[in-house]
Amino acid sequence: AQSVTQLGSHVSVSEGALVLLRCNYSSSVPPYLFWYVQYPNQGLQLLLKYTSAATLVKGINGFEAEFKKSETSFHLTKPSAHMSDAAEYFCAVSEGATDKLIFGTGTRLQVFP
Amino acid sequence: DGGITQSPKYLFRKEGQNVTLSCEQNLNHDAMYWYRQDPGQGLRLIYYSQIVNDFQKGDIAEGYSVSREKKESFPLTVTSAQKNPTAFYLCASSILTGNYGYTFGSGTRLTVV
Repeated sequence: AQSVTQLGSHVSVSEGALVLLRCNYSSSVPPYLFWYVQYPNQGLQLLLKYTSAATLVKGINGFEAEFKKSETSFHLTKPSAHMSDAAEYFCAVSEGATDKLIFGTGTRLQVFP
Repeated sequence: DGGITQSPKYLFRKEGQNVTLSCEQNLNHDAMYWYRQDPGQGLRLIYYSQIVNDFQKGDIAEGYSVSREKKESFPLTVTSAQKNPTAFYLCASSILTGNYGYTFGSGTRLTVV
């Protein structure tokens, strides 16, 4: 069965610093991978998705993620954190034909001034 | 604008009562999903449906029931058998091919009083 692991339930950075949120997956077939963001008391919003077209995927709000098959990773990065980036971030992997997503447990990002 | 509407935003339930959470989408998506979110536990799948008049149990279906009489609607009933129903509930929808990911509603926060 496919699974996804997010390392670090909480990440804190200073405003202007690099953001790195880690996601590792397990899959026996080429996966579809997603990053979602959730602001307090709201639903999840799609940040970006990997669907095998390119290994470096650019998303909204300046975020990007790189698919590394050898490391089974899909880490999310942003060069310079902004206060408005404070939220919870979820990595997800698709189960393929059924399209059902498997979500990680989430990483809460705090940004300090 | 197309999207998913969850109502109500906040819901209070007395112990022993059944309550129904509404989820409506106008995206013409085939599949719909219900998730429960608790702090530190990520998203846990309750039920999902890929076609009208058919639905499948997720990982934590006990104490919940659903129906899918129309493509647009997927209401969730939290029954008195659910021992700890206080949580944030998220509804999502997707197409069944192409792995475009899910579109989420804004959630319903249920509190037992």
